[in-house]
Amino acid sequence: NAGVMQNPRHLVRRRGQEARLRCSPMKGHSHVYWYRQLPEEGLKFMVYLQKENIIDESGMPKERFSAEFPKEGPSILRIQQVVRGDSAAYFCASSLGSVQETQYFGPGTRLLVL
Amino acid sequence: AQSVTQLDSQVPVFEEAPVELRCNYSSSVSVYLFWYVQYPNQGLQLLLKYLSGSTLVKGINGFEAEFNKSQTSFHLRKPSVHISDTAEYFCAGMNSGGYQKVTFGTGTKLQVIP
Repeated sequence: NAGVMQNPRHLVRRRGQEARLRCSPMKGHSHVYWYRQLPEEGLKFMVYLQKENIIDESGMPKERFSAEFPKEGPSILRIQQVVRGDSAAYFCASSLGSVQETQYFGPGTRLLVL
Repeated sequence: AQSVTQLDSQVPVFEEAPVELRCNYSSSVSVYLFWYVQYPNQGLQLLLKYLSGSTLVKGINGFEAEFNKSQTSFHLRKPSVHISDTAEYFCAGMNSGGYQKVTFGTGTKLQVIP
């Protein structure tokens, strides 16, 4: 009865490198959400995906960020050419459906860009 | 919800004293409202949610919240706090009907003083 899994829990990258964050939703959940939490701030919505589809990416920065949720395997949030301002905690949540359904959160990946 | 406001960034309270964490929302339509708790270096855990029906919602760990439509509020309360309640609490809202993004408040840090 595992919850939402995220890995790695901590990730250190140098400026210009790529960061890949993984999220495995709860068993049976086909809806995945990514949020970013900057220091001393609340969570900001980034993207909402269902299997093989991006439903809402209105919170994603226009450049360098991408997300996918393939038919098999975890959801991936990819950040290319990271900059110091990308340092944050990235949380993934999953839900059974999208309406009235509670989102269950993973433990987060804390990205530090040096 | 178009926006969710948590006016108090930090709330210190003595152990066994009551506490209220304030949350106000703005929305032109019906909303679903949530309270999450985040312990240090962990993900968010759902405390309680309001979808419809009774305006007094009871959650885990002895917390409860009351939905007040006229005041557009969803304050979180606990009659007697414990040291272990020290954490950050996030109020969140979502417009009802179909897919809607969840909007989070900026969080309130509850510091329970022994």
